Amino acid sequence: SQTIHQWPATLVQPVGSPLSLECTVEGTSNPNLYWYRQAAGRGLQLLFYSVGIGQISSEVPQNLSASRPQDRQFILSSKKLLLSDSGFYLCAWSMGLAGSNEQFFGPGTRLTVL
Amino acid sequence: GEDVEQSLFLSVREGDSSVINCTYTDSSSTYLYWYKQEPGAGLQLLTYIFSNMDMKQDQRLTVLLNKKDKHLSLRIADTQTGDSAIYFCAEREPRRGKLIFGQGTELSVKP
Repeated sequence: SQTIHQWPATLVQPVGSPLSLECTVEGTSNPNLYWYRQAAGRGLQLLFYSVGIGQISSEVPQNLSASRPQDRQFILSSKKLLLSDSGFYLCAWSMGLAGSNEQFFGPGTRLTVL
Repeated sequence: GEDVEQSLFLSVREGDSSVINCTYTDSSSTYLYWYKQEPGAGLQLLTYIFSNMDMKQDQRLTVLLNKKDKHLSLRIADTQTGDSAIYFCAEREPRRGKLIFGQGTELSVKP
């Protein structure tokens, strides 16, 4: 069966520091991968998605970047964090674009920027 | 444009039925989804419905789709305290396959 992991689970970082959040998927090959941010207002905002190694699509301009160095690894980064980067970051995967394309979510990383 | 709307809160008594409503704008959406989020956790896929269906039932969950009105609902029968969570409706953008989420409905179940 497929599982998705995220770490760390929680993170407190000062403004201006770098960021690296990791997401890995097990039990599947060539998944589509997604990074979402859930701010305090509850809605989910799609940040990046990837259909393959090295292929990243950015949904909104921002202070963050994403990379996919391996098939089942998706990394969210920042060189200098802003206060507004605080939130709950969720990684998700799906199998291609055909069919029902259900997305399955990881447990999330709670980021607090002080 | 793409937009999914839900009411923010719903409170029911244990044992009653809960109905969570959602409206969407993209008439070409092929799939619609319901996710559940418990406090501090990720989103759990509950069910989904294909746009050529009117209804889908899965144990205590019933999904109704009115494609003409672009209205989706999730009915939870015999609601339990463990059903307390935030429920998200999402539509699938057909062209790129990305999901557009509503703001979520916080369901509170009182004993």
